[in-house]
Amino acid sequence: IVLTQSPGTLSLSPGERATLSCRASHTVDSDYLAWYQQKPGQPPRLLIYGASSRATGVPDRFSGSGSGTDFTLTIRRLETEDYAVYYCQQYGSSPLTFGGGTQVDIK
Amino acid sequence: EVQLVQSGAQVRKSGEALKISCKGFGYTFTDYWIGWVRQRPGKGLEWVGIIYAGDSDTRYNPAFEGQVTISADRYISTAYLQWDSLRASDTAKYFCVRPVTLASIYGPNDAFEIWGQGTMVTVSS
Repeated sequence: IVLTQSPGTLSLSPGERATLSCRASHTVDSDYLAWYQQKPGQPPRLLIYGASSRATGVPDRFSGSGSGTDFTLTIRRLETEDYAVYYCQQYGSSPLTFGGGTQVDIK
Repeated sequence: EVQLVQSGAQVRKSGEALKISCKGFGYTFTDYWIGWVRQRPGKGLEWVGIIYAGDSDTRYNPAFEGQVTISADRYISTAYLQWDSLRASDTAKYFCVRPVTLASIYGPNDAFEIWGQGTMVTVSS
């Protein structure tokens, strides 16, 4: 399954709402879709799994939604620590695949 | 604290062999699958494969099958990723990963909750 993330780059100011899209080439089984955040020099961090369940310790300003082939990660009010690259991943079928990423930059 | 600790950065020449490691701490190693993810410099993430150390059941991404070998030693809570003959295109950071769900509840296809710090492999031609 190919995952296409958009936009490639999102430039927003602190306090604004960020909406990131992940579109799958085929239906993701059981909505097994995850989102990760990666900052420079660090490993990715799991934010969302099962399309909408927040991982342990993830602030509630992060939310995931969607089903089938269209999924969204929303960051309700951007904080400076949220500027990073975000990846989606499907794990409903093998091989597991990741999207190409969305860079969230400070405007 | 649950963590995965990986071996240090490696520099090799094309054609050489290499084995990198990932040791689990703070949990029962055989309660979970453990996998590997590749990230080439400045690029995205690619799933390499995954192993269950309890019985060595291993699954590979077809794109990596035959190019790498994944193994594990349950007695020292360590997983390995190895190459018999490296290529320049293998230059990347490799992360080991532990899924969200217990192996007894769910299979190898899962989101990755715990990540190692990464091992940078540099292959010169």
